[in-house]
Amino acid sequence: QSALTQPRSVSGSPGQSVTISCTGTSSDVGGYNYVSWYQQHPGKAPKLMISDVNKRPSGVPDRFSGSKSGNTASLTISGLQAEDEADYYCCSYTDTYTFVFGTGTKVTVL
Amino acid sequence: QVQLVESGGGVVQPGRSLRLSCAASGFTLSSYAMHWVRQAPGKGLEWVAVISYDGSNKYYVDSVKGRLTISRDNSKNKLYVQMNSLRTEDTAVYYCARGTSTWVQSPFDYWGQGTLVTVFS
Repeated sequence: QSALTQPRSVSGSPGQSVTISCTGTSSDVGGYNYVSWYQQHPGKAPKLMISDVNKRPSGVPDRFSGSKSGNTASLTISGLQAEDEADYYCCSYTDTYTFVFGTGTKVTVL
Repeated sequence: QVQLVESGGGVVQPGRSLRLSCAASGFTLSSYAMHWVRQAPGKGLEWVAVISYDGSNKYYVDSVKGRLTISRDNSKNKLYVQMNSLRTEDTAVYYCARGTSTWVQSPFDYWGQGTLVTVFS
């Protein structure tokens, strides 16, 4: 199972919006609405930010949103803040009852 | 509050075995699917295995099939992974993570702090 494809890095100024793409196949991202997104700060455990393509867990700011079109999912961070600087990973359930993570994207707040 | 605490990591030679544990508290373990996820030093996340809420279903990433076994003891609030025939490429921080429901396809809402496994000759 190959990792989902994410851009290596994205950046934006405070207050701007950034979007991270996550491209898979019809066997994972395109086949199920079980795409989730995780934020990871250096040396810390990952944190669930979005589940089931576009659901925000309690406590996650509403500036984080998710969507999907075909085999590509996206995470958008609106109104970028300094604390949003971190690594972000998408993850999808697959047709072999397993999960696959994306390659990871480093978000830099300029 | 929900807590997951991994233990059992360490330095081990290639070909040897290791068992990791994850102690769960603050919730009823038997109501959730549980996962192991690993992260090699400086690398991305890799999903390793999932076990259903009652232990009846287990699924693994291809690279560990036949070498790693996930298990759980709901009466002890513990999750385990038995790692045999370890390889240098198994070197990673291993996280246990809780699924959001009994369904194995549910995402991971709580994570432990991780335990480091180093396979080194």
